[in-house]
Amino acid sequence: DAGVTQSPTHLIKTRGQQVTLRCSPISGHKSVSWYQQVLGQGPQFIFQYYEKEERGRGNFPDRFSARQFPNYSSELNVNALLLGDSALYLCASSLELTGELFFGEGSRLTVL
Amino acid sequence: AQSVTQPDIHITVSEGASLELRCNYSYGATPYLFWYVQSPGQGLQLLLKYFSGDTLVQGIKGFEAEFKRSQSSFNLRKPSVHWSDAAEYFCAVGLIQGAQKLVFGQGTRLTINP
Repeated sequence: DAGVTQSPTHLIKTRGQQVTLRCSPISGHKSVSWYQQVLGQGPQFIFQYYEKEERGRGNFPDRFSARQFPNYSSELNVNALLLGDSALYLCASSLELTGELFFGEGSRLTVL
Repeated sequence: AQSVTQPDIHITVSEGASLELRCNYSYGATPYLFWYVQSPGQGLQLLLKYFSGDTLVQGIKGFEAEFKRSQSSFNLRKPSVHWSDAAEYFCAVGLIQGAQKLVFGQGTRLTINP
């Protein structure tokens, strides 16, 4: 069975641009969460979506947004990119709202 | 606010030696606790978790962890490390407040000497 898949794996943007990251959860999983991992730090919670509704949001500015589609896949959007947005963005899925999280390998974003 | 502290940023041990990685948490209620491992360029893999019950938890790859409420600790141990254990290890506390959120420590990088 396929695990959590994320795309793209690597991307480079310049300051002020916008980026969209995509995540496909494990088949049957209804919840998707997004985490930001800056180099040398632990991941930080950005969002959780469950049944297409936002259920939780971390301490991130409004430049960060996300959505979940009827097939439970998800997109994370970041507008007006800053240098500090350079990070590994991890997507995790779980069967229900709570439960074991399964992480993808991440999308590494570099902002120049 | 909830927080997780991993006091050791980097640990080096010899192959075959025992290992203990420290984790302390700050959380008002009974926590859900996790240890994850991350190899270079990879996502996170769950090693083990504690929800309730037996305070000594067995995980994958021969790892175990012990929950000590009095010390607010959840240290990870392995009796004999292998070169393939070299990776970054993260301790996390799980919060359920309308959403499920993991609060991670900053990680401990493990290097194995041959």
